[in-house]
Amino acid sequence: GESVGLHLPTLSVQEGDNSIINCAYSNSASDYFIWYKQESGKGPQFIIDIRSNMDKRQGQRVTVLLNKTVKHLSLQIAATQPGDSAVYFCAESSFNKFYFGSGTKLNVKP
Amino acid sequence: NAGVTQTPKFRVLKTGQSMTLLCAQDMNHEYMYWYRQDPGMGLRLIHYSVGEGTTAKGEVPDGYNVSRLKKQNFLLGLESAAPSQTSVYFCASSPLAGGQETQYFGPGTRLLVL
Repeated sequence: GESVGLHLPTLSVQEGDNSIINCAYSNSASDYFIWYKQESGKGPQFIIDIRSNMDKRQGQRVTVLLNKTVKHLSLQIAATQPGDSAVYFCAESSFNKFYFGSGTKLNVKP
Repeated sequence: NAGVTQTPKFRVLKTGQSMTLLCAQDMNHEYMYWYRQDPGMGLRLIHYSVGEGTTAKGEVPDGYNVSRLKKQNFLLGLESAAPSQTSVYFCASSPLAGGQETQYFGPGTRLLVL
């Protein structure tokens, strides 16, 4: 999975399957976490966020899980669709600064 | 409501030339940021602003200057472009202190320095 500062891994899934993208963060003081989707040639787009006082948050087809004990964040996409193909990256926030992971490329096979 | 816009979308410069990238937001956000994105790397913060008339250095400020004369605009300047500044530049804005509210990104400016 992805880690803030590492190179770009790739995840390939079949259309209709669930996708899980992982992210490890390093700063224990981080109190706010965000997942972004970035399509080719476009700016990052907000997907879902979670604050450090929560361990799970659900949106439409997406769920973010936060495990502060091991400093791990994951994004689950249900029933993955071709339109979900993009680079996904996490961001952590500490003291008004954001730190971004390099991203995971999601390929959805029809 | 256009959100965050960036001008230009693409630019080619020769080493030593100067240019200014313009970011504009119409959401009345206090915070604005400039990032660069390089292949295989996460977004890196260049400079940011917590309000009109204020600027601060980020992670990679060298070779760049910024100005926030109006709340809705945040300018990024390159005084003497270098090939190492070839990158995609993203502007973002946020309504509150960045720690508790997401940032909204512009579409990016692709800069090639020859």
